[in-house]
Amino acid sequence: EDKVVQSPLSLVVHEGDTVTLNCSYEVTNFRSLLWYKQEKKAPTFLFMLTSSGIEKKSGRLSSILDKKELFSILNITATQTGDSAVYLCAVEDDQGGSEKLVFGKGTKLTVNP
Amino acid sequence: SAVISQKPSRDICQRGTSLTIQCQVDSQVTMMFWYRQQPGQSLTLIATANQGSEATYESGFVIDKFPISRPNLTFSTLTVSNMSPEDSSIYLCSVEDLGTAFFGQGTRLTVV
Repeated sequence: EDKVVQSPLSLVVHEGDTVTLNCSYEVTNFRSLLWYKQEKKAPTFLFMLTSSGIEKKSGRLSSILDKKELFSILNITATQTGDSAVYLCAVEDDQGGSEKLVFGKGTKLTVNP
Repeated sequence: SAVISQKPSRDICQRGTSLTIQCQVDSQVTMMFWYRQQPGQSLTLIATANQGSEATYESGFVIDKFPISRPNLTFSTLTVSNMSPEDSSIYLCSVEDLGTAFFGQGTRLTVV
């Protein structure tokens, strides 16, 4: 059965701290890994990763994928209170012509001033 | 990226009633997806809505409980039927664009 496991489940830090969020996965036919930020209801797309070892970066956020060890990390440097959200990891599994997204439970990040 | 409008954004409903959630996309898409996110849980795919054919349901979800319409390539509805408190969740529609899933604003449903 496809599985996506995120850790930690929750994290509380102070503004300015750097955090690393983890996502490990087991899927039948890996196609891509996606990171989302969910503040209220709708997840907002952050990154899509398909190749190992290539870092994707957007401002203070960066992410990298290791397809050999089957995990990805999301780094946030110099955290701000606006980074407080649930961060979701999802893996796209190619199931014979139809792609299915499998989501982890998310990491709830709280950034205190 | 596709712009997705979902409504209602929230509702409180009596048990035993039904609620229909609408999802409008600003471009034509082949498939639209409906997810449920129960409190503290990950997003779970309910079904894939295909235009011109019946929706494809995931294990644990049935058409009688979650009927879906897809009248054209830009619109879909999900109905949550005969609701119980266990149906209290966030419901999200999603489309795929350039290999990435984009989501509507979500509907927060509370069943009392």
